[in-house]
Amino acid sequence: DTGVSQNPRHKITKRGQNVTFRCDPISEHNRLYWYRQTLGQGPEFLTYFQNEAQLEKSRLLSDRFSAERPKGSFSTLEIQRTEQGDSAMYLCASSSSTVTGELFFGEGSRLTVL
Amino acid sequence: AQSVTQPDIHITVSEGASLELRCNYSYGATPYLFWYVQSPGQGLQLLLKYFSGDTLVQGIKGFEAEFKRSQSSFNLRKPSVHWSDAAEYFCAVGSSGTYKYIFGTGTRLKVLA
Repeated sequence: DTGVSQNPRHKITKRGQNVTFRCDPISEHNRLYWYRQTLGQGPEFLTYFQNEAQLEKSRLLSDRFSAERPKGSFSTLEIQRTEQGDSAMYLCASSSSTVTGELFFGEGSRLTVL
Repeated sequence: AQSVTQPDIHITVSEGASLELRCNYSYGATPYLFWYVQSPGQGLQLLLKYFSGDTLVQGIKGFEAEFKRSQSSFNLRKPSVHWSDAAEYFCAVGSSGTYKYIFGTGTRLKVLA
């Protein structure tokens, strides 16, 4: 059973640099989510895809953030001109439209902006 | 406003003792409720979920939770805690047709040998 895979697991970057995270969902899942988790907080919703369509974006997702899911398979989350406040764990989850409610999470990509 | 409150940031119990983690929610629609567990360096794993029906739900690893609509609560329980249960636990709420689940801030469980 292949779960949700995220890469890289850790990324350290300097302020102002661009970073990109990749998420490979469970293959039969058509729904994909990005959440952000900061220290001492629960996951916060960032964006949601159904197949290749991005259906919702949180106001947390400033114009420096962009997410894509070409062909409805893997997804990328890019952060441009990173700021120290972007330091967080970025979690990807996927789910099936035929099974209500359950999100399957990856192990996350931890971003540290120096 | 929609929210999930986990009032206990940290809980410490002895191995073999019983456990109850509290979760209260505020949500406009009929809620779907979830408990997830996160071990260090791991992703979130679903312990159990409530959609409808029997208000006492059983989950994995011996956990159960009870939905109390009148109290807007969904507390997680385990009769006998094992050292491997040490982790962070998150309560979450959603509803039919939504994809924007709201998570609580988590409760970190420490288990004493």
